[in-house]
Amino acid sequence: ETGVTQTPRHLVMGMTNKKSLKCEQHLGHNAMYWYKQSAKKPLELMFVYNFKEQTENNSVPSRFSPECPNSSHLFLHLHTLQPEDSALYLCASSQAQGAGGNQPQHFGDGTRLSIL
Amino acid sequence: GDSVTQMEGPVTLSEEAFLTINCTYTATGYPSLFWYVQYPGEGLQLLLKATKADDKGSNKGFEATYRKETTSFHLEKGSVQVSDSAVYFCALSTGNQFYFGTGTSLTVIP
Repeated sequence: ETGVTQTPRHLVMGMTNKKSLKCEQHLGHNAMYWYKQSAKKPLELMFVYNFKEQTENNSVPSRFSPECPNSSHLFLHLHTLQPEDSALYLCASSQAQGAGGNQPQHFGDGTRLSIL
Repeated sequence: GDSVTQMEGPVTLSEEAFLTINCTYTATGYPSLFWYVQYPGEGLQLLLKATKADDKGSNKGFEATYRKETTSFHLEKGSVQVSDSAVYFCALSTGNQFYFGTGTSLTVIP
């Protein structure tokens, strides 16, 4: 049973739609992450939030817009996506990383996104 | 830059066989190392970790030892089960970011 909950589990949308992915963590963590997982490609880090502040944006296109209203919730707002954006989007949380990065990340089960 | 390289899959083993999945890393600092497992339809789950050289992480019969001299963190299990079928990811963290390997798919057949 995961302490990180993602909704919806599956989402099909057209390229002109606007939708949002939601992530909630119940672990008392203060860092949250969005990843993109595509078939036969390494896991791609998209965004990192520490204490609600965005600390990493890995050159993600502006059609993906993250929002972190508090340390327990993370959203990914989607608009005018492209077919190549179809993937599994994973949310993760952890304690804020200190030197050595020994805090593991805890993942949700992901949202399977399909762009028509 | 920091990176992780793990062996290509897929790997197919018979039940009770010995498993090794190789993982090597490149890092400028002193990273922590992790193995994650992903079952079909689920997210990644932490399997084990090691935070300094010569540490051995272990969980559910899986083991990996942090070898600084060979920059490796190979995953081993003495006797695999059908329920171990999944994708396994090696990862490192130096504090700023996590770096994941490409994943190794394991199928265990009865």
